[in-house]
Amino acid sequence: GQQLNQSPQSMFIQEGEDVSMNCTSSSIFNTWLWYKQDPGEGPVLLIALYKAGELTSNGRLTAQFGITRKDSFLNISASIPSDVGIYFCAGQDPNYGGSQGNLIFGKGTKLSVKP
Amino acid sequence: SQTIHQWPATLVQPVGSPLSLECTVEGTSNPNLYWYRQAAGRGLQLLFYSVGIGQISSEVPQNLSASRPQDRQFILSSKKLLLSDSGFYLCAWRQNTEAFFGQGTRLTVV
Repeated sequence: GQQLNQSPQSMFIQEGEDVSMNCTSSSIFNTWLWYKQDPGEGPVLLIALYKAGELTSNGRLTAQFGITRKDSFLNISASIPSDVGIYFCAGQDPNYGGSQGNLIFGKGTKLSVKP
Repeated sequence: SQTIHQWPATLVQPVGSPLSLECTVEGTSNPNLYWYRQAAGRGLQLLFYSVGIGQISSEVPQNLSASRPQDRQFILSSKKLLLSDSGFYLCAWRQNTEAFFGQGTRLTVV
């Protein structure tokens, strides 16, 4: 079945530092999504990517859809304490027949920011 | 605009008791609806999805069931809870390829 590897699993950084995390898949995806989850709440969509090579920003966040369609990265610039949370990537495998193309989620990157 | 509501926010239930979690979506018609479980604050596991009233697909065999009695209502149930059913349950709806999540329900089975 599909596999999606997200790294790193966790990060401890100083406020003001830049952050980079990525996801790689074993198969080609036609959509990449990045979510942030605060403790005790549901994930919130940050950025959606639909085309290979696409680079999209949302404030201090930048994400790219890899050219091979098997990877994506998320960068956060000048981190602040409210960036703390778990970041998930998700990809849609166009060849998966269930639920009109199932979303496969990474296991998350837990970000901690020291003020 | 579309909104998704999920309740209760937290629930503590004894082993063997029944379960009913409810999710409703507003501002859209005929949405695809999903139940996920998240263990230990990581990884989302798809449990059920529904593309219409009365249409339920299960992704993994388990002690839970789902129903969709109305277009914008999705219910997660169990007749007898197990300790292993503890976790954080999330309802979601899909618009094209993007998924939007509810606030989640923290279920603790004791």
